[in-house]
Amino acid sequence: SAVISQKPSRDICQRGTSLTIQCQVDSQVTMMFWYRQQPGQSLTLIATANQGSEATYESGFVIDKFPISRPNLTFSTLTVSNMSPEDSSIYLCSGRTGYYGYTFGSGTRLTVV
Amino acid sequence: AQKVTQAQTEISVVEKEDVTLDCVYETRDTTYYLFWYKQPPSGELVFLIRRNSFDEQNEISGRYSWNFQKSTSSFNFTITASQVVDSAVYFCALSEASQTGANNLFFGTGTRLTVIP
Repeated sequence: SAVISQKPSRDICQRGTSLTIQCQVDSQVTMMFWYRQQPGQSLTLIATANQGSEATYESGFVIDKFPISRPNLTFSTLTVSNMSPEDSSIYLCSGRTGYYGYTFGSGTRLTVV
Repeated sequence: AQKVTQAQTEISVVEKEDVTLDCVYETRDTTYYLFWYKQPPSGELVFLIRRNSFDEQNEISGRYSWNFQKSTSSFNFTITASQVVDSAVYFCALSEASQTGANNLFFGTGTRLTVIP
């Protein structure tokens, strides 16, 4: 199955700054998904990213805050913009592979101070 | 609308005890997929199993077993002879096979399992 390399694995950022998270897949995947996991909570879908089209955002998430790029079938980035302490979470990317298989990156643990 | 309920927020067991993690789901689709993932303290998600809605056979993999019952919309997970390394948060998830949707995973709220040595 596909393997996703996600970077950075963790970061501590100042409020008001932005962080870009990268996910590189070792094979082509159709859909990529970005999730947020707030401390002690479940995973919440931020957006779905198709190659060559704008990402589709879930309710409560907007492009200005979480811009996403998907330039090809093996790469995607998520930017967390103008960060505040409430953005402190684990961010995970996921790719849909094969027939309803899902692979996940190892996550980015973000702390905003 | 789809929903995954894991009513057990936290469970503690003593090593070697058996433990069952409950998962109840809701969906209007007739074709869907159910998953279990393990999230150890390091944070990554470890895939455990995928089951489609047409396959109600129970599955056993080593100390792990899964009981899928469509009649009660449940997909429960049992760990036999638990070990300390089983301590983690376990998520049940659902993917609907809608032709028009993105088919992303919907996660339950997770069950934190602590195995006490």
